[in-house]
Amino acid sequence: EAGVTQFPSHSVIEKGQTVTLRCDPISGHDNLYWYRRVMGKEIKFLLHFVKESKQDESGMPNNRFLAERTGGTYSTLKVQPAELEDSGVYFCASSQEEWGEQFFGPGTRLTVL
Amino acid sequence: QKEVEQNSGPLSVPEGAIASLNCTYSDRGSQSFFWYRQYSGKSPELIMSIYSNGDKEDGRFTAQLNKASQYVSLLIRDSQPSDSATYLCAVNPFSGGYNKLIFGAGTRLAVHP
Repeated sequence: EAGVTQFPSHSVIEKGQTVTLRCDPISGHDNLYWYRRVMGKEIKFLLHFVKESKQDESGMPNNRFLAERTGGTYSTLKVQPAELEDSGVYFCASSQEEWGEQFFGPGTRLTVL
Repeated sequence: QKEVEQNSGPLSVPEGAIASLNCTYSDRGSQSFFWYRQYSGKSPELIMSIYSNGDKEDGRFTAQLNKASQYVSLLIRDSQPSDSATYLCAVNPFSGGYNKLIFGAGTRLAVHP
């Protein structure tokens, strides 16, 4: 069974540009989560999808971040326009059950210059 | 007070010894608890989940949960150099009916031959 995959693995962009991160959850997992780790701090929750619906987006830092999950399969996280403080590693995770174990993807390392 | 607290380490143990990793959490209503292992530059890998008070064993790993003391621990028996990594404690607080993981900063474990 394939795990959670994320693309790209690294992205380097200039401040003010737009970046779109993609996550493909484990097949059959309705629950998809986005997390990020910035500047060596703890991993922080961003949002949670159940199928195509946003269940909780309380962790999204501001309206420069937009997450979508059309069709309830893969998800994208767009940052527009990117700021320096958005640099970090963005992780995607998925779970089969809503309160169950979450399995993480390899992450996307975003560097904003 | 942080929601999930761990000693940052490093915790240094000799090969073959028992490594004991500890975690405390602040939300008394938390229901599920997870231990992830993270090698440098890699994604968090789920190694244990625990939902009820007491011990849960899986191979060389034992998770211990005490909800009254708001404390969860991970024991690694017969530690190997390959166990050297950062161990992340994660708690699902279930607050407001929302489903997300709150991570500690992690404890770095170093197993020396």
